[in-house]
Amino acid sequence: AQTVTQSQPEMSVQEAETVTLSCTYDTSENNYYLFWYKQPPSRQMILVIRQEAYKQQNATENRFSVNFQKAAKSFSLKISDSQLGDTAMYFCAFMKPGTASKLTFGTGTRLQVTL
Amino acid sequence: AAGVIQSPRHLIKEKRETATLKCYPIPRHDTVYWYQQGPGQDPQFLISFYEKMQSDKGSIPDRFSAQQFSDYHSELNMSSLELGDSALYFCASSFGQPSYNEQFFGPGTRLTVL
Repeated sequence: AQTVTQSQPEMSVQEAETVTLSCTYDTSENNYYLFWYKQPPSRQMILVIRQEAYKQQNATENRFSVNFQKAAKSFSLKISDSQLGDTAMYFCAFMKPGTASKLTFGTGTRLQVTL
Repeated sequence: AAGVIQSPRHLIKEKRETATLKCYPIPRHDTVYWYQQGPGQDPQFLISFYEKMQSDKGSIPDRFSAQQFSDYHSELNMSSLELGDSALYFCASSFGQPSYNEQFFGPGTRLTVL
């Protein structure tokens, strides 16, 4: 079974600064997908960024980028130029390839962006 | 663009009662997933359906059952409700094939068991 670990329960960053959220995972699979989801106070689950394990290039989406280290089974999220709207719970998630494959989530990191 | 619809958005039940949660996937999506998120916890996978057949099963209690209908909407039936069933229940939908497709989450149904 796969496990996802987020060791930072809470983090704080000032507006316009950069913050990195950590995630490690454990799997025996060689091919898989990794995701970061954002859950703001509205509780809606919003996909932030995804990474295919077979791609060496780190994924980037505007101010969000990842540092994917497959050998170390590490998948960190970097948020640049933090904005107040980035305040949310962030979940790292793992998915095996396959039809109707489930997401396995980490325990989340609560990020607070301050003025 | 159309999103995943869940109804009701809020539900209050007494212990030992039953509840039915409904999920309407994005049009043309053939796969539905159910997740349960307890207070202060991460979402936990319950069950998934692809083309109206159960595809995978997670930590879903025997008191719960679900199905996907011919129009691809899904219902999660919960019986003998317990206090611990109070949670946010998410439905997500996707295309089943190819093997990776983004899961789009609905807004969730907040169930409170008193």
